[in-house]
Amino acid sequence: QSALTQPASVSGSPGQSITVSCIGTSSDVGGYNYVSWYQQHAGKVPQLVIYDVTNRASGVSNRFSGSKSGNTASLTISGLQAEDEADYYCCSYTSSSLYVCGTGTKVSVL
Amino acid sequence: EVQLVESGGGLIQPGESLRLSCAASGFSLSYSYMNWVRQAPGKGLEWVSVIYSGGSTYYADSVKGRFTISRDNSKNTLFLQMNTLRAEDTAVYYCAREPGIGGWREYYFDYWGQGTLVTVSS
Repeated sequence: QSALTQPASVSGSPGQSITVSCIGTSSDVGGYNYVSWYQQHAGKVPQLVIYDVTNRASGVSNRFSGSKSGNTASLTISGLQAEDEADYYCCSYTSSSLYVCGTGTKVSVL
Repeated sequence: EVQLVESGGGLIQPGESLRLSCAASGFSLSYSYMNWVRQAPGKGLEWVSVIYSGGSTYYADSVKGRFTISRDNSKNTLFLQMNTLRAEDTAVYYCAREPGIGGWREYYFDYWGQGTLVTVSS
């Protein structure tokens, strides 16, 4: 169960759009539409942002969107705001009836 | 209101055992799919284990054979029995709920506890 691959960091200026990628395999990301994304502010508990690849969690801004192509899932944050600065993790269900999560991406707002 | 409250973490020596608890309120554990997810200091999330509403259990390879997930429906509490602990098990352990109920499963975590820190060191 190798962790899903995410870029270590992504940054953007306020108002810009950024995309965080999450690369897996056909046994996880590519095989199921069960990719979820979590936001974790420093010292806080992870919070659900996106589930089932494209669905926003309750209360999450429509500036957050998710997508998938093949074995790669993506989280896009449009209209970047200071409050979006956090770590982001993807997780996927797998063919072994387990979950695998990503290495995590630190999003910085310049 | 759904709440998850973990307890049982602490400093423990390599090779020893520890049992974590996760007290749930606002919903019934017996109908839910419950998970443990851990996060080593400064590291990413690592899924550890799940228990199905029907009682089936699954584990990450890194803990299989050493950790056991269980629940006490009467106390609405989830447990993680951790044996033969290693330094690499040092992490904050979160319990996390999947929102599905009974035979309907949802594959994500909608509620997380605040976490309990386990430090394995001599």
